[in-house]
Amino acid sequence: QQQVRQSPQSLTVWEGETAILNCSYENSAFDYFPWYQQFPGEGPALLIAIRSVSDKKEDGGFTIFFNKREKNLSLHIKDSQPGDSATYFCAASGGGADRLTFGKGTQLIIQP
Amino acid sequence: EAAVTQSPRNKVAVTGGKVTLSCNQTNNHNNMYWYRQDTGHGLRLIHYSYGAGSTEKGDIPDGYKASRPSQENFSLILELATPSQTSVYFCASGDRDWGYEQYFGPGTRLTVL
Repeated sequence: QQQVRQSPQSLTVWEGETAILNCSYENSAFDYFPWYQQFPGEGPALLIAIRSVSDKKEDGGFTIFFNKREKNLSLHIKDSQPGDSATYFCAASGGGADRLTFGKGTQLIIQP
Repeated sequence: EAAVTQSPRNKVAVTGGKVTLSCNQTNNHNNMYWYRQDTGHGLRLIHYSYGAGSTEKGDIPDGYKASRPSQENFSLILELATPSQTSVYFCASGDRDWGYEQYFGPGTRLTVL
């Protein structure tokens, strides 16, 4: 049972466009949703996170939109640059569990 | 700067052999985690620990053991390695006081022949 789902699996956008990465979850107890960015050959790094009490979180050119009722969220990357090309993982935690459940990731390619 | 380090970074093992992957963190986090990453599967949790002396099973623990001898160190042990365990392994540390955030090491690429 996959508790965190990401779409699309792969996404290509032009430099300067807004890239939109989607994530949905099944467990209503999840209340913390971080997004991780991973470059080839490196470990994932925390990019931005949101708690379920909020519906939006911004940090630089990255914005999370969260819909608790629909159990989904999205990561928007504004004015995307080739350096943003990476794999992005959505994760979730909650219910008192000190662990994260990860989605399978979205590979983002920014074409110059 | 707080960091998570892993050793070795690359390992080639033979089927049936014993493999130990090591992780060290200077974050002073209580929790540590071992994941494997495979194409099409994302990050899957193998074992984790709440502190020295504790280990907990994750989602895919079969064929793996873990050891947490100290706050800083967490090992993943493959007693009888199999080719299906060929993967990239990541260690992470985290703490509830840090908001469930996890900080990852650079990974170990393991190939079992």
